[in-house]
Amino acid sequence: DAGVTQSPTHLIKTRGQQVTLRCSPKSGHDTVSWYQQALGQGPQFIFQYYEEEERQRGNFPDRFSGHQFPNYSSELNVNALLLGDSALYLCASSLHETQYFGPGTRLLVL
Amino acid sequence: GIQVEQSPPDLILQEGANSTLRCNFSDSVNNLQWFHQNPWGQLINLFYIPSGTKQNGRLSATTVATERYSLLYISSSQTTDSGVYFCAVDPSSNTGKLIFGQGTTLQVKP
Repeated sequence: DAGVTQSPTHLIKTRGQQVTLRCSPKSGHDTVSWYQQALGQGPQFIFQYYEEEERQRGNFPDRFSGHQFPNYSSELNVNALLLGDSALYLCASSLHETQYFGPGTRLLVL
Repeated sequence: GIQVEQSPPDLILQEGANSTLRCNFSDSVNNLQWFHQNPWGQLINLFYIPSGTKQNGRLSATTVATERYSLLYISSSQTTDSGVYFCAVDPSSNTGKLIFGQGTTLQVKP
């Protein structure tokens, strides 16, 4: 049984560009959440998708958007990248209460 | 919003020693999870423990929900236990929006 997978593992972009990160949940999980983890900090909740709809959203600007597909996989899109968007982006999937995290995508904005 | 405080922020142990990590939260919660983040950034589930006590090998956890704290015990520590330990809570009715503490960085020396 594969766990949560994310792609790509690493990414380098320049300011102003756009980026798309991808996540495949654990088999049987229908809910996907995205988190941003800056260096030395705990992860911060971006948003959560369930049944292809955004169900919860954290304190992130509209430059951060997402999508969930019928197979429950999800994308995180960030537009107009800023230097401060450099972070580890984590995806978590869940069926009930317990969330399981993927290995993350490290994004560096230059 | 809810505040999550972890202590100590840093901990250095000799292999074989025991330790206790603490997580205080400022409001009632419906979900509390402990995670271990390895040096590569992977968040590994340790416990889902909104209340009560659980044990898994050398690790155990206790949450006293009425007093708003949780403890993670590590016995006979090994170098592979090194990393950052996070406590995360969901203050609402299991919406899946986890609020993370700042973490405890543990270094186990051989």
